[in-house]
Amino acid sequence: DIQMTQSPSTLSASVGDRVTIPCRASQSISRWLAWYQQQPGKAPKLLIFRTSSLESGVPSRFSGSGSGTEFALTISGLQPADSATYFCQQYKSFPWTFGQGTKVEVK
Amino acid sequence: DVKLVESGGALIQPGGSLRLSCEVSGFIINFNYMSWVRQAPGKGLEWVSVTYTAGNTYYTDSLKDRFTVSRDNSKNTLYLQMNSLRAEDTAVYFCARVNSDRSDLEGVFDHWGQGTLVTVSS
Repeated sequence: DIQMTQSPSTLSASVGDRVTIPCRASQSISRWLAWYQQQPGKAPKLLIFRTSSLESGVPSRFSGSGSGTEFALTISGLQPADSATYFCQQYKSFPWTFGQGTKVEVK
Repeated sequence: DVKLVESGGALIQPGGSLRLSCEVSGFIINFNYMSWVRQAPGKGLEWVSVTYTAGNTYYTDSLKDRFTVSRDNSKNTLYLQMNSLRAEDTAVYFCARVNSDRSDLEGVFDHWGQGTLVTVSS
């Protein structure tokens, strides 16, 4: 199985900051990576697929980068509404696997 | 509007069985790939299964002997039958659509239900 690692588990930043959330795969997944945002008590929401393609309706301050085993989600100009947990997910091979999540706290 | 509504979650004793439902509106489930994903309290997401348009289903290895997915096309509803439940199956269970519009989207969950809580405890 491909393991997805997200660290740190919690990240604190101020409104307007540029935040980068890393994600590492245990083996190369090319660019088969998606990012989800989950607010407390809610379902995950798709933000980015294929590493860097923005899902329709997602604000342009979200962007994704990387390839192979190293990936990142960047929020440019953090907003209070971005307070949430962010999960990466690989879909290169079964079983599809998620990272453990990074919680972003907005000061 | 796309909507997925899970139901059937409950408090159940270890060893018991439970069937979850996912009623879908806004698209036809047998023309789409459908998945179950679960999330233990305070934990991350775990993919459970994917059902393809042909009806074949793939499961994560650790659950394939106890969990079975079915669908009722006339009700546009997906089901998850869970047997021999264990404490570690305690989780919120989400159903989700897997995008199949393009090959680079197969494996991406683009629509989710709100989830239903299963608690396995004596």
